[in-house]
Amino acid sequence: KQEVTQIPAALSVPEGENLVLNCSFTDSAIYNLQWFRQDPGKGLTSLLLIQSSQREQTSGRLNASLDKSSGRSTLYIAASQPGDSATYLCAVKPGPGTYKYIFGTGTRLKVLA
Amino acid sequence: DGGITQSPKYLFRKEGQNVTLSCEQNLNHDAMYWYRQDPGQGLRLIYYSQIVNDFQKGDIAEGYSVSREKKESFPLTVTSAQKNPTAFYLCASTGTGERGSNQPQHFGDGTRLSIL
Repeated sequence: KQEVTQIPAALSVPEGENLVLNCSFTDSAIYNLQWFRQDPGKGLTSLLLIQSSQREQTSGRLNASLDKSSGRSTLYIAASQPGDSATYLCAVKPGPGTYKYIFGTGTRLKVLA
Repeated sequence: DGGITQSPKYLFRKEGQNVTLSCEQNLNHDAMYWYRQDPGQGLRLIYYSQIVNDFQKGDIAEGYSVSREKKESFPLTVTSAQKNPTAFYLCASTGTGERGSNQPQHFGDGTRLSIL
């Protein structure tokens, strides 16, 4: 059974710092992995989606990597800003014909001005 | 702009009452989902639908019901059988097929349900 873990549960960093958020999964047979941002009381906003054949995806200050053999994905945020404060979640899609996504519990990030 | 609209934003349920949460999308997505989010927990799947007039139970379907009569709409009813309904409910959608399966999942802004 696929399980997705995000450690730490919470993180505080000073503004301007580069940081890495972690996502681990137990079964390497995944179809894609998606990173989301969630602001308090809001829905999830998709940040990056990495297909199983890809190693990384980039969007602006965000870079997500995928290492299926080790069951890990990382989300790198460069030059963090207070506006980056939110909860970041990752989700794994096990297969192309599967419509059930497996979510991690998220990392709550606070960037201090 | 395409997106998912959930209503209402806040909902209060009395004991023994059924309530219905609305979810409408104009993304032309075939697949739609309902998730429940509790503090400190990840999203848990309640129901999902891959196509009109068809839906499947997720991991925590007991006490909930859905319908999918139109592609755009996937309402969720929280019945009186759900004894602990207080949570944040999120609706999502994705494309299907070879291309759609690798497209991002889109979410609405959620409905917060509380017990009176």
